[in-house]
Amino acid sequence: AQSVTQLDSQVPVFEEAPVELRCNYSSSVSVYLFWYVQYPNQGLQLLLKYLSGSTLVESINGFEAEFNKSQTSFHLRKPSVHISDTAEYFCAVSDLPNSGYALNFGKGTSLLVTP
Amino acid sequence: DAGVTQSPTHLIKTRGQQVTLRCSPKSGHDTVSWYQQALGQGPQFIFQYYEEEERQRGNFPDRFSGHQFPNYSSELNVNALLLGDSALYLCASSFGSSGETQYFGPGTRLLVL
Repeated sequence: AQSVTQLDSQVPVFEEAPVELRCNYSSSVSVYLFWYVQYPNQGLQLLLKYLSGSTLVESINGFEAEFNKSQTSFHLRKPSVHISDTAEYFCAVSDLPNSGYALNFGKGTSLLVTP
Repeated sequence: DAGVTQSPTHLIKTRGQQVTLRCSPKSGHDTVSWYQQALGQGPQFIFQYYEEEERQRGNFPDRFSGHQFPNYSSELNVNALLLGDSALYLCASSFGSSGETQYFGPGTRLLVL
């Protein structure tokens, strides 16, 4: 089974500063990769995903992530964060169809943006 | 377009009791997956239902069971509740033949006393 490591449990950052949330996964076989965001007392919202094609994927709110197969990483970045980006961020990986696309999640990174 | 809905939002039970949680998938989706999220942890996959059958199962005991109805909605049942079953239970839906992307509901928070 796949495993996901989110290297930072908490990331404090000032508003308008850049941020990178790190994610590594265990397998070298083909996988699908996802970032989800969870605001307090809510479910998970899909932020962005890598399925195939371009290794750089972007979300509508300024986040981007780059799939690096050789380093088995899928780090999430944003050049300038807002207070409203404060949330828990989860990286997830799924195997290909024979697993039913079950998601394996990391433990999450808490992003805290302060003025 | 309705997203994934779950009921109830909160639930309090005592040890040994049984609980049923419900999920309605996003419109057009036919696959439902259930996840358990303990406090401060990432979600863990429980099982997935497609065409009214359990297609995939995670590392959870048989106390956790489920069902999918012809309208694609789903139930998660947990028997003989333990304190450790206290968690946020998340339902996610996807479209079976290209179901690589799962969309999550708001969750049901279960507290076992």
